[in-house]
Amino acid sequence: AQTVTQSQPEMSVQEAETVTLSCTYDTSENNYYLFWYKQPPSRQMILVIRQEAYKQQNATENRFSVNFQKAAKSFSLKISDSQLGDTAMYFCAFMRLNSGNTPLVFGKGTRLSVIA
Amino acid sequence: GAGVSQSPSNKVTEKGKDVELRCDPISGHTALYWYRQSLGQGLEFLIYFQGNSAPDKSGLPSDRFSAERTGGSVSTLTIQRTQQEDSAVYLCASSLTPVQGGTQYFGPGTRLLVL
Repeated sequence: AQTVTQSQPEMSVQEAETVTLSCTYDTSENNYYLFWYKQPPSRQMILVIRQEAYKQQNATENRFSVNFQKAAKSFSLKISDSQLGDTAMYFCAFMRLNSGNTPLVFGKGTRLSVIA
Repeated sequence: GAGVSQSPSNKVTEKGKDVELRCDPISGHTALYWYRQSLGQGLEFLIYFQGNSAPDKSGLPSDRFSAERTGGSVSTLTIQRTQQEDSAVYLCASSLTPVQGGTQYFGPGTRLLVL
C-alpha cells in the first residue's frame, strides 16, 4: 500500500515571498503520478500541478514548481511570489499507474496562510 | 466545458434516515471516483467506477454505503440509516484513462451533517 506524508500541518508566508511545502511518499511501484491539489475555503479541490514519475524534469506551472526526487521519494511544492489567493489547504497525492484507473492516495494536507 | 457538479451542496439529515448524493462528471470522462473528507480521517477513497462497473469498492466503510452509475455518466452515492459519524464532505472526481492523462478533476462536494 502507498502512503503520503505531509509533515507540515500549517505554514505561513508573507505576500510576494516564496514558500516550500514538503511531501514524502512510500511505494514499491515504479510507475506513478504525483499531484498537488489546492483546496480554498470554498471547498473546491483544484489541481495545482502534476508530475509523471518517469519524467526527470521537474514540473512547473507559472508560480508553482516541484522538486521531485524519485530516489528519496520526495515531492515538494514551491510557490513563488505568494499571493493572498494562495491561502488554502494543499494536498499532496499519489496515483499508481495501471492499465486502468486507480484512486488517489492523499496526504493529510498543509494549511497555508499568505499574510499581507 | 462544464466541470464536475454535485448535488446537493449541503444536506442536513436526522440519524437513521437515508440520503442520496449525486455526481455529474465531466462529459466524456470514463472514470468516476467518490472520496470522503472528514476532520479526523482526512481524505478517504470510497469507490470508483470505470464506465458503469465498480472495479474497486474497497473503501466503502460499511454495507450501509452503496453507489451506482448509470449510462456511464451520473453517479449516486447512497447512505442508508445514517449515523453521526457519516457527517463529512463527500467529494466526487472524474478522469480520462491514464493513457489519456488520468488526472482527476473534482466537484465542489456535498457537505453532509447527520444530527
